[in-house]
Amino acid sequence: GAVVSQHPSWVICKSGTSVKIECRSLDFQATTMFWYRQFPKQSLMLMATSNEGSKATYEQGVEKDKFLINHASLTLSTLTVTSAHPEDSSFYICSARGDYPAGREQYFGPGTRLTVT
Amino acid sequence: AQSVTQPDIHITVSEGASLELRCNYSYGATPYLFWYVQSPGQGLQLLLKYFSGDTLVQGIKGFEAEFKRSQSSFNLRKPSVHWSDAAEYFCAVGAGNNNDMRFGAGTRLTVKP
Repeated sequence: GAVVSQHPSWVICKSGTSVKIECRSLDFQATTMFWYRQFPKQSLMLMATSNEGSKATYEQGVEKDKFLINHASLTLSTLTVTSAHPEDSSFYICSARGDYPAGREQYFGPGTRLTVT
Repeated sequence: AQSVTQPDIHITVSEGASLELRCNYSYGATPYLFWYVQSPGQGLQLLLKYFSGDTLVQGIKGFEAEFKRSQSSFNLRKPSVHWSDAAEYFCAVGAGNNNDMRFGAGTRLTVKP
């Protein structure tokens, strides 16, 4: 149980376009979802936290107008990178937390590799 | 806010040797502690976690970790390393109402034949 999926697993887009990444909790209800960013050979950095039905809370330094997060249901959150630029190329990982099976643990998706050309 | 330090950026051990990866955290209360492993281009795999109770935690793949409150540490150990253990290892601490997680910088493990 507690499986989180991401789609797509990798995406290439042209500079100036927008790209949407989906994060789904497959077998539990995710009251909270998290989005992380990981540059090559670096650690995961929390970008934002979203609670279902509420606006996302962004970490300091993360542009909320550039990284749009929507958590419209208990099983789906989306991250849209707007007007993408090459410096947005990164590995984006989502995680989800629900009240069950264990509210203290986040379950991670497999990640989405974004390349902006 | 909580923070995590992994002092060793890169460790090389011989196959069959023992392993210890260090992790120190900073948080005012008892944190939730995690160790994850990540292979190149892959997502995170949870090795083990500590929430409360027994301070020696057993995980998957023969790993264990010990929570030492007095030292604010949660070091990961394995008695005999296998070549397949070569990967990046991240220590993480969760805290707060949302269990916000903060990750250490990671330790890259190389296993020599």
